Amino acid sequence: DIPMTQSPSSLSASVGDRVTITCRASQSISDYLNWYQQKPGKAPKLLIFAASNLQSGVPSRFSGSGSGTDFTLTISSLQPEDFATYYCQQSYSRAAFGGGTKVEIK
Amino acid sequence: QVQLQESGPGLVKPSQTLSLTCTVSGGSITSDSYYWSWVRQPAGKGLEWIGRIYASGDTNYNPSLKSRVTMSVDTSKDQFSLELSTVTAADTAVYYCARVVTGNKWYIDLWGRGTLVTVSS
Repeated sequence: DIPMTQSPSSLSASVGDRVTITCRASQSISDYLNWYQQKPGKAPKLLIFAASNLQSGVPSRFSGSGSGTDFTLTISSLQPEDFATYYCQQSYSRAAFGGGTKVEIK
Repeated sequence: QVQLQESGPGLVKPSQTLSLTCTVSGGSITSDSYYWSWVRQPAGKGLEWIGRIYASGDTNYNPSLKSRVTMSVDTSKDQFSLELSTVTAADTAVYYCARVVTGNKWYIDLWGRGTLVTVSS
């Protein structure tokens, strides 16, 4: 399997900030990379699939990029409802999630 | 609107088998567009993919759990199930069932609400 490493594990940001979360694969996974958002006590929610495709209904301030081993989730202008934990997940070889990035209020 | 609902015991004794069922409502489990998956999350920790099953019964499991996992599907009831044998306290987690959009670049687009399973004597 292909483990995924996210960084940072947590960050503090203010409303309106641009936030970037990184996910790295231990080997190339092309663009077989998805991003999810999870709020406390809730199931995860799909944000981005295949590295850069915005899921229907997800605000356009979310974007994904990358290919191969390095990927990025960007929130262009952080909103109050965006404070949550974000996970990447590779679907290249079975599946593996990154360890998560908790986005907290500064 | 398709919904997923996990059901099963919330408490399992060590060394026993954890059994959960996911009921798909508002849609058919035999749709060619989807297959079905289980993911778990220990309290305060990250997500762990357990495996996936097709309506045909074909499965793929997480190698770290493969020796203890069995997934099955009942198309007549639009249900799929998870069995995890020989459980320990490390298997205590919220278990989610999920719908997976098929294709090479597959992804989970729908989740159940999750059910907490505690392993304790």
